Amino acid sequence: TQLLEQSPQFLSIQEGENLTVYCNSSSVFSSLQWYRQEPGEGPVLLVTVVTGGEVKKLKRLTFQFGDARKDSSLHITAAQPGDTGLYLCAGRRPGGTSYGKLTFGQGTILTVHP
Amino acid sequence: GAGVSQSPSNKVTEKGKDVELRCDPISGHTALYWYRQRLGQGLEFLIYFQGNSAPDKSGLPSDRFSAERTGESVSTLTIQRTQQEDSAVYLCASSPGGANTIYFGEGSWLTVV
Repeated sequence: TQLLEQSPQFLSIQEGENLTVYCNSSSVFSSLQWYRQEPGEGPVLLVTVVTGGEVKKLKRLTFQFGDARKDSSLHITAAQPGDTGLYLCAGRRPGGTSYGKLTFGQGTILTVHP
Repeated sequence: GAGVSQSPSNKVTEKGKDVELRCDPISGHTALYWYRQRLGQGLEFLIYFQGNSAPDKSGLPSDRFSAERTGESVSTLTIQRTQQEDSAVYLCASSPGGANTIYFGEGSWLTVV
């Protein structure tokens, strides 16, 4: 059972287009993180959202945490080839004693063509 | 080095053999995690260390998997009698205690043939 459903699984777009990746669950998370992973490397943290309804912006990336803290989205404006990679959402369940015990979505492979 | 270091980076082993994967966390990080990533999948939590103790081993898939940590530093993940379904990238991560950010290594790619 996948606790975090990420969609779409694959996304292939042209440079300059906008895109949104979704991360949905029926479970509540105390926080949700987004990571980017390139081939042969480990995931790198992009952002952490904690409060329901929270919106965070990181240059051309906008992250939103749902009001009920069950879902999140990542929106990229004017995508560039350098944005190509695997994007992963990861949630921390309430009451956990370990900050690093995360439940990951299956990932979205983004390819931005020049 | 400044980051989490894992070895070997690639390992091909025959079914039934034992393998050991090593993780050197960032110096001073008290928390250490092992995750598994199968091809095209997200990461699965395996085990968490705080210091040398493992308060959460809930993600270890079977008794063929074990891990230890010594000196509040290096950790070893051991897989006994490897099976083809063990083929995956094994990622180690570390963080300062209580911190929100964990730092991943580049992973050890295990292929069981």
